[in-house]
Amino acid sequence: AQSVTQLDSQVPVFEEAPVELRCNYSSSVSVYLFWYVQYPNQGLQLLLKYLSGSTLVESINGFEAEFNKSQTSFHLRKPSVHISDTAEYFCAVTQDTGRRALTFGSGTRLQVQP
Amino acid sequence: GAVVSQHPSWVICKSGTSVKIECRSLDFQATTMFWYRQFPKQSLMLMATSNEGSKATYEQGVEKDKFLINHASLTLSTLTVTSAHPEDSSFYICSAPTGALGAQHFGDGTRLSIL
Repeated sequence: AQSVTQLDSQVPVFEEAPVELRCNYSSSVSVYLFWYVQYPNQGLQLLLKYLSGSTLVESINGFEAEFNKSQTSFHLRKPSVHISDTAEYFCAVTQDTGRRALTFGSGTRLQVQP
Repeated sequence: GAVVSQHPSWVICKSGTSVKIECRSLDFQATTMFWYRQFPKQSLMLMATSNEGSKATYEQGVEKDKFLINHASLTLSTLTVTSAHPEDSSFYICSAPTGALGAQHFGDGTRLSIL
């Protein structure tokens, strides 16, 4: 079994400030890790993923996440946020064997204020 | 890139009605699709795994007779909410693995409101 914990349900931040959204996971086997973003009344869009290799992964819009195996974490960061980054962010994991359904965290609402 | 289309995006209907939601993979074949349910301000919960040409696999606690899943082709899976009641009101989202390891593409979701 696997689980994902996002401790922060809401993160308010001012525009151009840095932000970190925390994600911790638990699994008895190797996992792949993902961050998805969801805008109101829309589906999920893949932000970035860790499959293997470099533990630091980046997205095209300035977000990055670092896989830390010892701390079982995959925190999402951005050095300077924009109003348009306001959305719900979900951390997710899937095992590297068997079926590939995702297990999601409870989500973090990022609220960027002017 | 790979796209998953979900239809309809919004449904409002009376209690007792059955509602069908379609999930299509537009430029790739999907032998497996996943159906999730999302309550307001909550995470996505996997309801079932849809398997092309065979029976769906339901998660514990999901009523098979309430949520009928059909995966008749390599590009289409349908979820039918039978005799829907207000407690079935939710946001339903489908997804399909694209072949890239561990990755899935999601539909835009269906907002179901039962009056």
